[in-house]
Amino acid sequence: AQKVTQAQTEISVVEKEDVTLDCVYETRDTTYYLFWYKQPPSGELVFLIRRNSFDEQNEISGRYSWNFQKSTSSFNFTITASQVVDSAVYFCALSEGNSGNTPLVFGKGTRLSVIA
Amino acid sequence: EPEVTQTPSHQVTQMGQEVILRCVPISNHLYFYWYRQILGQKVEFLVSFYNNEISEKSEIFDDQFSVERPDGSNFTLKIRSTKLEDSAMYFCASQEGENTEAFFGQGTRLTVV
Repeated sequence: AQKVTQAQTEISVVEKEDVTLDCVYETRDTTYYLFWYKQPPSGELVFLIRRNSFDEQNEISGRYSWNFQKSTSSFNFTITASQVVDSAVYFCALSEGNSGNTPLVFGKGTRLSVIA
Repeated sequence: EPEVTQTPSHQVTQMGQEVILRCVPISNHLYFYWYRQILGQKVEFLVSFYNNEISEKSEIFDDQFSVERPDGSNFTLKIRSTKLEDSAMYFCASQEGENTEAFFGQGTRLTVV
């Protein structure tokens, strides 16, 4: 059975601090996809990244970076030099199978508050 | 930039009434989904739709729920007889094809009173 665990329920940081959001997943499939979505206070879900299980290279996009480690089944998300606009709930999600269109299983989310 | 559009943004309905939530997916997308998020909780899958039929559904998607794509552009979720516990944010998502990411609409907040 697939499962996504985001152990951090809430994190609060001061602006310009770096922050890492943890994500641990469980799956029996060897092929799967991992995602991060951002849910700002306005409520929509904003896609951030998609990573397949065969690509363990870390990725950097501006202030965002992701660390994928199959050995620990983790897909952690780091925001460097956090800003108030980063305040949101962040969801990690998993999609099993190699078709890439199976439903997403979401973690419970981590609420990040960035204080000015 | 193309986006998934959902209407209405907020709907209040009385228990037992039928509601229809509407979604316009991104035009060249082939896979469509409904998810829901009860306030303060995680996002849960309801149903996926491809090639004019349901491809997968969760345990939540019981007989009171139905989906259709009536005119090739809109994608609707109908809840036949709403219950208090149906109160949630409902998200529509669409995906261009396999091995692509799903894009979500801004959600419809359903409140059943």
